[in-house]
Amino acid sequence: AQKITQTQPGMFVQEKEAVTLDCTYDTSDPSYGLFWYKQPSSGEMIFLIYQGSYDQQNATEGRYSLNFQKARKSANLVISASQLGDSAMYFCAMRAVMNYGGSQGNLIFGKGTKLSVKP
Amino acid sequence: EAQVTQNPRYLITVTGKKLTVTCSQNMNHEYMSWYRQDPGLGLRQIYYSMNVEVTDKGDVPEGYKVSRKEKRNFPLILESPSPNQTSLYFCASSLSLPGVTTEAFFGQGTRLTVV
Repeated sequence: AQKITQTQPGMFVQEKEAVTLDCTYDTSDPSYGLFWYKQPSSGEMIFLIYQGSYDQQNATEGRYSLNFQKARKSANLVISASQLGDSAMYFCAMRAVMNYGGSQGNLIFGKGTKLSVKP
Repeated sequence: EAQVTQNPRYLITVTGKKLTVTCSQNMNHEYMSWYRQDPGLGLRQIYYSMNVEVTDKGDVPEGYKVSRKEKRNFPLILESPSPNQTSLYFCASSLSLPGVTTEAFFGQGTRLTVV
């Protein structure tokens, strides 16, 4: 079965420091994509970063980087130089080419990590 | 500006009164889907559509209907809402499959309360 696990319900980080949000996944599909979304208190879902299962290098987007360890099935999000505006819920998600037992194209989400940035 | 637009943003309704949440995207995406978000459960897919007139059930389809008569629109219909459908709903669109490299663009969300 396809599954995303985020083990940190909540985290605190000091402003300007780096923080790592954990994500592990489970799939038997060799081809899949991993995504991170940010959900501020206003509720919208904002796409942050993507990593493909065959990508050789870790994805980076500005202050966001994805620490992809395929053998461990982990896709941790690293936010460098945290800002107060980074306080939000963060969701890890996966989309497989063939979602066995589920709908094709379904984005499977973890339960999220609530990040709070302290001034 | 590329976007997915949902309406309404907030809705309070009574049990049994039919309602429709609209979703429209301007990116010419083939794939559209609806999710509901509940505390402690993350986001779960309700229905999805791979193109016009092609729809299928997601993980939690009971109590919902959808239609895809035009590429840009994908309304979610609750024929007889019940309190357990109180939730935050998201419409999302992305380029068509195959390929997993396409991110999903989400609407702003619709917070539905059924009393």
